[in-house]
Amino acid sequence: AQSVTQLGSHVSVSEGALVLLRCNYSSSVPPYLFWYVQYPNQGLQLLLKYTTGATLVKGINGFEAEFKKSETSFHLTKPSAHMSDAAEYFCAVRGKTSGSRLTFGEGTQLTVNP
Amino acid sequence: DVKVTQSSRYLVKRTGEKVFLECVQDMDHENMFWYRQDPGLGLRLIYFSYDVKMKEKGDIPEGYSVSREKKERFSLILESASTNQTSMYLCASSLSRVTYEQYFGPGTRLTVT
Repeated sequence: AQSVTQLGSHVSVSEGALVLLRCNYSSSVPPYLFWYVQYPNQGLQLLLKYTTGATLVKGINGFEAEFKKSETSFHLTKPSAHMSDAAEYFCAVRGKTSGSRLTFGEGTQLTVNP
Repeated sequence: DVKVTQSSRYLVKRTGEKVFLECVQDMDHENMFWYRQDPGLGLRLIYFSYDVKMKEKGDIPEGYSVSREKKERFSLILESASTNQTSMYLCASSLSRVTYEQYFGPGTRLTVT
């Protein structure tokens, strides 16, 4: 079965500091991996995705993630945090069954301190 | 831009009431999904649908049913609402069975008293 583990339900950084949100997955099929962001009182918005090809994926708002097969990881990074990055972040992996099911992690709440 | 809309942002219902949550997408997507979101549990899939009049159970279907009479509309039904169904409900859609990117609505925060 597919599963996603996000290490750290809460991460706090200072404005301008590196953001690192961790995601590890397990998958019995070649993984398609996603990061979504949820701002307060809103739905989820796609940040970036990995399907095939280049393992370093760039997304919106300066975020990027690297697919590391040997480590079964897909960590999300941003070199310099901005106050507007404060949100909840979800990692997701495609499901095994046919169709477009996704399995989501538990989420990581990012706080950015001034 | 894909737009997924949900009928209500906030809803308060009483225990035992029948509750309908509506979701509409405007991009002719084949697949539609209903999730509930609870703190510390992430998103859990309730039901999904690959086509009109088709539905499949997700991970937590108990206490819920769905209806998809038209391609653009996917309804979640709580036959007899209970307090443990107080949650944020998110609807999503995706283009087809081989595309995995999902587009989400703004969510409905349901409180059952």
